Amino acid sequence: DAGVIQSPRHEVTEMGQEVTLRCKPISGHNSLFWYRQTMMRGLELLIYFNNNVPIDDSGMPEDRFSAKMPNASFSTLKIQPSEPRDSAVYFCASSRTDRGTEAFFGQGTRLTVV
Amino acid sequence: AQSVAQPEDQVNVAEGNPLTVKCTYSVSGNPYLFWYVQYPNRGLQFLLKYITGDNLVKGSYGFEAEFNKSQTSFHLKKPSALVSDSALYFCAVRDYDQSGYALNFGKGTSLLVTP
Repeated sequence: DAGVIQSPRHEVTEMGQEVTLRCKPISGHNSLFWYRQTMMRGLELLIYFNNNVPIDDSGMPEDRFSAKMPNASFSTLKIQPSEPRDSAVYFCASSRTDRGTEAFFGQGTRLTVV
Repeated sequence: AQSVAQPEDQVNVAEGNPLTVKCTYSVSGNPYLFWYVQYPNRGLQFLLKYITGDNLVKGSYGFEAEFNKSQTSFHLKKPSALVSDSALYFCAVRDYDQSGYALNFGKGTSLLVTP
């Protein structure tokens, strides 16, 4: 398996623009996580899905952020409109749903909003 | 609420010396604990986990971790550090949250191994 695949790897956009980050989880994994990493806040859990259903989105910072998982092999994280403070590295991770299983991370998307 | 804490922002150790990166947890019930490593400009990589059983867990790259229930700790250890071990280390806990098992991380500890 190729692992968790995220695209794009880097994104530079202007304030106010819509940004869409994409994630393909490992085949057979039923849980998917979106994280944001910054120097100030560390690694924050934004939202996670079980069997394509959003379970907990309490980490989503604002209504500008939304996430979808239309099927088991694809998820998106959208920011609309984007702001400079959204600049961060966004990670997607997937795992089986068992509590004792580890999650596997993608390489991340480095977002810069200017 | 489930959580882990990493009390040290940075740990410095000389190559060849033993290293310890600290983690304490706060969960209801039995904890499911993990350690990850992150190298610059990379995603997090799984090192090891504690589910149940032996309190000393062995993982990748010669790392091990000791689970201590009375101290609610899960410290990461290695007998002899390498310069290549320099990276950011995260402790994590997975616990039941609403309808699933969320995976929450500590803030991370930067490990610097000097030659």
